[in-house]
Amino acid sequence: KQEVTQIPAALSVPEGENLVLNCSFTDSAIYNLQWFRQDPGKGLTSLLLIQSSQREQTSGRLNASLDKSSGRSTLYIAASQPGDSATYLCAVRPSVGNKLTFGGGTRVLVKP
Amino acid sequence: SAVISQKPSRDICQRGTSLTIQCQVDSQVTMMFWYRQQPGQSLTLIATANQGSEATYESGFVIDKFPISRPNLTFSTLTVSNMSPEDSSIYLCSVEVWGGTEAFFGQGTRLTVV
Repeated sequence: KQEVTQIPAALSVPEGENLVLNCSFTDSAIYNLQWFRQDPGKGLTSLLLIQSSQREQTSGRLNASLDKSSGRSTLYIAASQPGDSATYLCAVRPSVGNKLTFGGGTRVLVKP
Repeated sequence: SAVISQKPSRDICQRGTSLTIQCQVDSQVTMMFWYRQQPGQSLTLIATANQGSEATYESGFVIDKFPISRPNLTFSTLTVSNMSPEDSSIYLCSVEVWGGTEAFFGQGTRLTVV
């Protein structure tokens, strides 16, 4: 059974610092991995999707890497801003089937 | 991509009543899912909504408690029946579009049962 872990559970940084969020998974037989942002009480916004054959994806200040063999993905957010404050979730899709397994999320606070 | 409209965005309900949540997508999609997110927790899949047939429920979720409809390729409803305070959660609709495997989510329905 796939298990997805995100450490740390919470993170507080001053504005301008780079953010590093970690996601680990136990079963490397994945089809893709997706990073989401969730504001309090709201739905999920898709940030980046990495296919299992890819090593990284970039969008603006966001960069996500994937090391499938070691079961790890990292989301980097450059030059953080207070508007980046949210919970960030990773989810993996198995190589067979379509059910996502979510991590517990990392709650980020960027202080002005 | 897909634009998902989920209604209502929030509601406060009395115990013992039922609430139906609607999920409308701006384009035809292959897969539609319903998730629950309990306070402080991550997402748990309730069921896959199948077009024209009964939904496929995950372990721990039953049709009598969470009846789901999907009459066409762009619309689905989830009903939370005979509610108790333990049903207080955010309920989320998710879809996958044709030819893709990226998941898109609605804005969520924040349900409080009193």
